[in-house]
Amino acid sequence: DIQMTQSPSSLSASVGDRVTITCQASQDIGNYLNWYQQKPGKAPKLLIYDASNLETGVPSRFSGSGSGTDFTFTISSLQPEDIATYYCQQYDNLPWTFGQGTRVEIK
Amino acid sequence: QVQLQESGPGLVKPSQTLSLTCTVSGGSISSGYYYWTWLRQPAGKGLEWIGRVYTSGSTNYNPSLKSRVTISVDTSKNHFSLKLSSVTAADTAVYYCARSSFRWFDPWGQGTLVTVSS
Repeated sequence: DIQMTQSPSSLSASVGDRVTITCQASQDIGNYLNWYQQKPGKAPKLLIYDASNLETGVPSRFSGSGSGTDFTFTISSLQPEDIATYYCQQYDNLPWTFGQGTRVEIK
Repeated sequence: QVQLQESGPGLVKPSQTLSLTCTVSGGSISSGYYYWTWLRQPAGKGLEWIGRVYTSGSTNYNPSLKSRVTISVDTSKNHFSLKLSSVTAADTAVYYCARSSFRWFDPWGQGTLVTVSS
């Protein structure tokens, strides 16, 4: 299985801060990476697909970049409604696997 | 738009079989080129892909669960199902169904908590 390692596991930032999460794959996955947002008690929601493409309707403060084994997810200006856990997910090989998640809180 | 809803018992005894159904509304389960997928998430933990079924009935399973999992589709009822046999406490989780393209999971059902306990 391809292992996905996210860091940090949690972070606390102020409203308006720039937030960055990294995701590293255990092997080259090209750009076969997605990012999801999961709010407490809810199902995950697709935010970014193919490493850098914003899903329709997702605010432009969210962005993704990277290829190969190293990927970055950024919130350019953190908003209170962004409090959630964020997961990366690879689809290069079955079984599709997720990172362990990054919990984002407001300071 | 397409919506998914999980249903099934919330409590299963150890060694028994967990059975869940995901009903698709707002569209036909047979339309488009989609896989119909099950995932799970133990409390406070990350997400695990269990497996998927295509409308032809072909399946792919997570090797870690393959010996215990069966996923099937019933196009006449517009739903698909999960069976997980010989469950233990480690199978306690929120179970999600989702539609997947060849690249991502979207949309998801709201999830259903299944507890394994005697």
